[in-house]
Amino acid sequence: QQPVQSPQAVILREGEDAVINCSSSKALYSVHWYRQKHGEAPVFLMILLKGGEQKGHEKISASFNEKKQQSSLYLTASQLSYSGTYFCGTRARGNFNKFYFGSGTKLNVKP
Amino acid sequence: DGGITQSPKYLFRKEGQNVTLSCEQNLNHDAMYWYRQDPGQGLRLIYYSQIVNDFQKGDIAEGYSVSREKKESFPLTVTSAQKNPTAFYLCASSIDANTGELFFGEGSRLTVL
Repeated sequence: QQPVQSPQAVILREGEDAVINCSSSKALYSVHWYRQKHGEAPVFLMILLKGGEQKGHEKISASFNEKKQQSSLYLTASQLSYSGTYFCGTRARGNFNKFYFGSGTKLNVKP
Repeated sequence: DGGITQSPKYLFRKEGQNVTLSCEQNLNHDAMYWYRQDPGQGLRLIYYSQIVNDFQKGDIAEGYSVSREKKESFPLTVTSAQKNPTAFYLCASSIDANTGELFFGEGSRLTVL
């Protein structure tokens, strides 16, 4: 029931772009994105509730394709501060109460 | 300031001992969650609670127990039945069980000696 994320790891130079994908075998009610720095708790980035919805947070944005049960996180013109592990989290339709996280995508932005 | 407090931050346990991790929130959130994170891994759901006096098993509940006697508190007991308890444990809450972002505590790192 955990969503699947890809890629597992990404290495970027400052200013480069990246896309992180999240897919589920279940019909999704909502998708969340979180970022976790090493040794710290995850921090909420954004939530997508509707199919086709796109949201932005500074240079980080996301889309939600409800029909495909997929979401993508877009990081543009990456900064050193973007380094960390990104997790998608999902609530499935008909089972909102359980909140599952993907396995994570480790992003390393280098100077 | 509102938030979630987990304690202790670090805990060492001998094999065969039970240990309880504390999680307290003052956000007035209905839903609370416990996750386990192993090195380089994602977060796996142990238990969750939608409201006071109610809780449900997640995917890896074996060897763990919880209680939800008060809205603000959701302690997790790691019992001796848990075969590989060494991990980073994260407690979270959300305003309700259906929507809303999860707010996390700083985590408790448990090491079994």
